[in-house]
Order: sequence, then structure tokens, then C-alpha cells
Amino acid sequence: AQSVSQHNHHVILSEAASLELGCNYSYGGTVNLFWYVQYPGQHLQLLLKYFSGDPLVKGIKGFEAEFIKSKFSFNLRKPSVQWSDTAEYFCAVRGTGNQFYFGTGTSLTVIP
Amino acid sequence: GAVVSQHPSRVICKSGTSVKIECRSLDFQATTMFWYRQFPKQSLMLMATSNEGSKATYEQGVEKDKFLINHASLTLSTLTVTSAHPEDSSFYICSAYDSYEQFFGPGTRLTVL
Repeated sequence: AQSVSQHNHHVILSEAASLELGCNYSYGGTVNLFWYVQYPGQHLQLLLKYFSGDPLVKGIKGFEAEFIKSKFSFNLRKPSVQWSDTAEYFCAVRGTGNQFYFGTGTSLTVIP
Repeated sequence: GAVVSQHPSRVICKSGTSVKIECRSLDFQATTMFWYRQFPKQSLMLMATSNEGSKATYEQGVEKDKFLINHASLTLSTLTVTSAHPEDSSFYICSAYDSYEQFFGPGTRLTVL
């Protein structure tokens, strides 16, 4: 079965700092990869997704992620974070049978 | 994106009772819905895949007789926690799938006393 690991459990940044959250998956075949965000008290929302094509994917709110097949990675990046980016971030992989498997999540706190 | 609702948003029940949680896709027909469980400060754990008109597919370790899933229409899936116990207390989240991405409901907080 597919699995997803997120290395950073809790990240604290000052506003305007750059962000990179790690995500690695284990699966040798074709993958669909996703990043979701969960703002405090809200439900999960899709930030971006990768199905095929350009490995650099741009999402909403200035986020982007790069799919590196050789490293089984799909790291999330943002050049300059804002206080409003404080949230939980989840990486997910879609496996066979269309099930989605989530990483353990990264809690991001942005200090004004 | 599409809108998915869950009802109730919060429920408290006594140990031994059953609780039904509804998940509705409000603006598209979802042949597939997923049910997740989220523990505090942890990720979503996929419990089962609910397919309209057929039996749900449960993930390993999830008791199908305890967590009954019914997907009777293209817009409604229900999760019934039977004979609930305090260890079943959790945040249950559903999502509706349109073959490309999932749209999540707001979740249901279940507390079993």
C-alpha cells in the first residue's frame, strides 16, 4: 500500500520567511499527489495537485510544489509566508482503487 | 469547489448507543465518498470507501460491523457507529470524490460518555 511521510511536524516562521515542507511517498507506479490545508476551525481544502506533466505545480495563495520522481518527493513551497498561512498542511497520495492516503501533517505557525 | 455537508456537526452520546452521521454532496453527484477519522493533532485515517449502490470497502483494522456505511444515493452517504464506546470518540470527516479530487465536509465531533 502507498504511504506518505511528512518530516516536519511543527514549523514556526516569521512573516516573509520562505517555507518548504517535506513530503515523501512510497509507491513505484504512477501517482497522483496532493497538498491540503486545514485552517483553524475549518475543513480541509485543496492547495494543489499533481497528476502528470510539468513537475512544478502552482496552487492557490502563492503555494507551489515540485514532484521529483527520483526522490519520491513532493515538497510544498512558498517564498514568503503570511500570518494567515498558519494552518495544518497535509500531503496525500492517491493509490490504486482511488483511495487517498495522508501524511501525518505539519502544523505551521507564522509569527507576525 | 463543490460543497459537502455533514450532519450533525457535534454529537454526544452514552456508551452503548448508536450514532448516525450523514454526509451530503450538495452540488454534484458523487459515486464515491470517503470516510476518515482524525485524532487530535494527527492526520486523517482513511476508514472506508463508500460506493453508491454497493458495499463499502473498509481499510485494514476498521470493523465493518461497528462502522456501518450506507451510500444509498449519489448525494448521500451515512456512517453509523454502532454500540459506541468512549474509544470511538473522535472527529469523523467525509469527502465526496469526483474522479479528480476530493471535497471535504466540515466534520463531525463525536463524544461518547
